[in-house]
Amino acid sequence: DQQVKQNSPSLSVQEGRISILNCDYTNSMFDYFLWYKKYPAEGPTFLISISSIKDKNEDGRFTVFLNKSAKHLSLHIVPSQPGDSAVYFCAAYSWGKLQFGAGTQVVVTP
Amino acid sequence: GAVVSQHPSRVICKSGTSVKIECRSLDFQATTMFWYRQFPKQSLMLMATSNEGSKATYEQGVEKDKFLINHASLTLSTLTVTSAHPEDSSFYICSATRDQYNEQFFGPGTRLTVL
Repeated sequence: DQQVKQNSPSLSVQEGRISILNCDYTNSMFDYFLWYKKYPAEGPTFLISISSIKDKNEDGRFTVFLNKSAKHLSLHIVPSQPGDSAVYFCAAYSWGKLQFGAGTQVVVTP
Repeated sequence: GAVVSQHPSRVICKSGTSVKIECRSLDFQATTMFWYRQFPKQSLMLMATSNEGSKATYEQGVEKDKFLINHASLTLSTLTVTSAHPEDSSFYICSATRDQYNEQFFGPGTRLTVL
């Protein structure tokens, strides 16, 4: 049962524009959410996180928004850069374990 | 800081053989390590949680006799795929946590191909 869902398998965005990645979850026990970036044949690297007691966290070009009532979070990247092209995974924490979404492939075009 | 390494990065083996994958935390002590498996274009699936000095906790559906996990020290966990079959071919990734932090640091992964 997939408790963390990323319904958009891919996203294409022009360089300089905003990338918005979405993630939905079903388990209300999740208390911490993270976004990871992953290149092919490499492990994920941590991008940004947010606690369930917050609704926004910002770090440079990356901002994560959490809407607990809708069980929805999003990652905004602005401005998008060519180096941002990768797969982005949403993950949620519960009882010491991470559950990942299926990922969204982002392609930033010139 | 917080670097996790895996060895080997890729391995090709014959069906029926066993393969060992090492996961090391290079600059911190990791009381907990996790092993994940990722199929192409799919999510990372947690296989097991490994705590130093104790038996690993396996997720439902993961055969503990097939995927042997040993967390021998605070910086090393190993995953042994026993009697590997082609369906075990996958990308295996480990991660490690530092004390009192939620963040997991991931290794670069190991691509296993079973012929």
